[in-house]
Amino acid sequence: AQSVSQHNHHVILSEAASLELGCNYSYGGTVNLFWYVQYPGQHLQLLLKYFSGDPLVKGIKGFEAEFIKSKFSFNLRKPSVQWSDTAEYFCAVILNNAGNMLTFGGGTRLMVKP
Amino acid sequence: DGGITQSPKYLFRKEGQNVTLSCEQNLNHDAMYWYRQDPGQGLRLIYYSQIVNDFQKGDIAEGYSVSREKKESFPLTVTSAQKNPTAFYLCASRVAGAHTGELFFGEGSRLTVL
Repeated sequence: AQSVSQHNHHVILSEAASLELGCNYSYGGTVNLFWYVQYPGQHLQLLLKYFSGDPLVKGIKGFEAEFIKSKFSFNLRKPSVQWSDTAEYFCAVILNNAGNMLTFGGGTRLMVKP
Repeated sequence: DGGITQSPKYLFRKEGQNVTLSCEQNLNHDAMYWYRQDPGQGLRLIYYSQIVNDFQKGDIAEGYSVSREKKESFPLTVTSAQKNPTAFYLCASRVAGAHTGELFFGEGSRLTVL
C-alpha cells in the first residue's frame, strides 16, 4: 500500500527563518502531489499542487515545493516565514492509476515565534 | 456560495450508540471522501465514493458505514462497533478522474464519546 511520510512532526522557527518540511512517498508510479495547510480554527485548504511539468511548484503565500522523482520526495519550502504561517501542514499523494484515493501524511505542526 | 457543509459541528454520544454525520456539497463533484483526523496521525481515509450508489473502504473503515444515494450527499455513520470513535471527522469532495483538481474540505465534525 502507498504511504506518505512527513518526518518532522513539530517545527519551531523564529520569524524570517527559512523553512523546509519533508515529504516522502512510497510509490514508484505516476503521482499527483499536494500540500495542504490548516490554520488554527480553520478548515484545510490547498497550498500548492504538482501534476506534471516543472518540478518546482509555486503556491500561495510564498510557498514552493520541489518534486524529486528519484528521491520520491516533495518537500515544502519558504525562504522567510512569518508568524501567520503558524499552522499544520499536510502532504498528500494521489496515484494516477488508483482511482481517487488520496493519501495524507501525518502532518507537521509549525510554530513561528514572533 | 459553493462549498461543503458538515453537521453537526460538535456531537456527544454515549457508548453503544450509533451516530450519523452529515456531509452535503453543492460543487457538483463526483467524488466524496471521509477522513478522520487524530493528533499526530494526520488524516486517515475512512470511506470514499467516486459515483452515486458506489463507495469503497479506505484504510480504517471498520466500525463505520456510508451511503451515497445522491450526488450531493455522503453521510457517515459511526457505529457502536468503532472502538475509538472520539475524533475530528472531515468530509471532502473533488472532481473525479485523473489530473483533476484539489480536494475541497468541510469544516469538520468533532465527535466525543462519553
